[in-house]
Amino acid sequence: QQPVQSPQAVILREGEDAVINCSSSKALYSVHWYRQKHGEAPVFLMILLKGGEQKGHEKISASFNEKKQQSSLYLTASQLSYSGTYFCGTEITFGSGTSYDKVIFGPGTSLSVIP
Amino acid sequence: IAGITQAPTSQILAAGRRMTLRCTQDMRHNAMYWYRQDLGLGLRLIHYSNTAGTTGKGEVPDGYSVSRANTDDFPLTLASAVPSQTSVYFCASSSDLNTEAFFGQGTRLTVV
Repeated sequence: QQPVQSPQAVILREGEDAVINCSSSKALYSVHWYRQKHGEAPVFLMILLKGGEQKGHEKISASFNEKKQQSSLYLTASQLSYSGTYFCGTEITFGSGTSYDKVIFGPGTSLSVIP
Repeated sequence: IAGITQAPTSQILAAGRRMTLRCTQDMRHNAMYWYRQDLGLGLRLIHYSNTAGTTGKGEVPDGYSVSRANTDDFPLTLASAVPSQTSVYFCASSSDLNTEAFFGQGTRLTVV
C-alpha cells in the first residue's frame, strides 16, 4: 500500500521553511526519507523507527507519529541545494508467509527553491 | 570506489525481446531491491532479496523475474518486453532492514 505524500509540489524562496507530510493507511514500523535531484539516483536522508529512534546524517529534521500513521519532514531555512523530489517510504510486511519487510515509496513531493 | 553499479545505463528494446538488467554491489549488503520509476508514481518496488538465495515479489512483479545466486549480483530479467515496461529502473542495496539504502544510477529502458 503506497503511502500518501503532501503537498505534491512546493516552491520556496531561499531561507523559507517547508513541511512535507507522509501518511499511511497501515500501521507504520518505520519511515524512510530520500531526496532525488533531477537525473540522479535517490539519496538517503533519514530513517525514523517505531519507538522514537532516528537515524540520519543530514541537517533535516522529521517527526513520526505512530498513532496517526504519519511522518513529517521539516526543511528549515531552505537552500538552493534542497531542490529535488522527496520520497517517503514506509516499511510493511507483505502477506507472503515470510517475515521480510520492504520499503514502499510514496509518489514524491517536488520541492523547488528559488533565489 | 565502493558502491552499486547498474548496466546498461540506457537501452532501446523491441517489444517481445528478452532483456536482463544487471546490478552489482561491492558493499557486501544482504538486501537488494529493484524499483521502477515513472512520472507521478514515484519508486515502485518490483522484486527484492533479503539475502543470497532468496527473493520476493514487490508491488509490481508481473513480467519481471530476478535471481540472487550470490551476495553481490541481483539481475532483473524481462522475459518478453512490452511498451508499458518503458521506465527508469533503479537497483538498490542495504546492509540490513531499517538501514540506509544505496541506489545505483539507474537504467533508462525504452520498449518500442
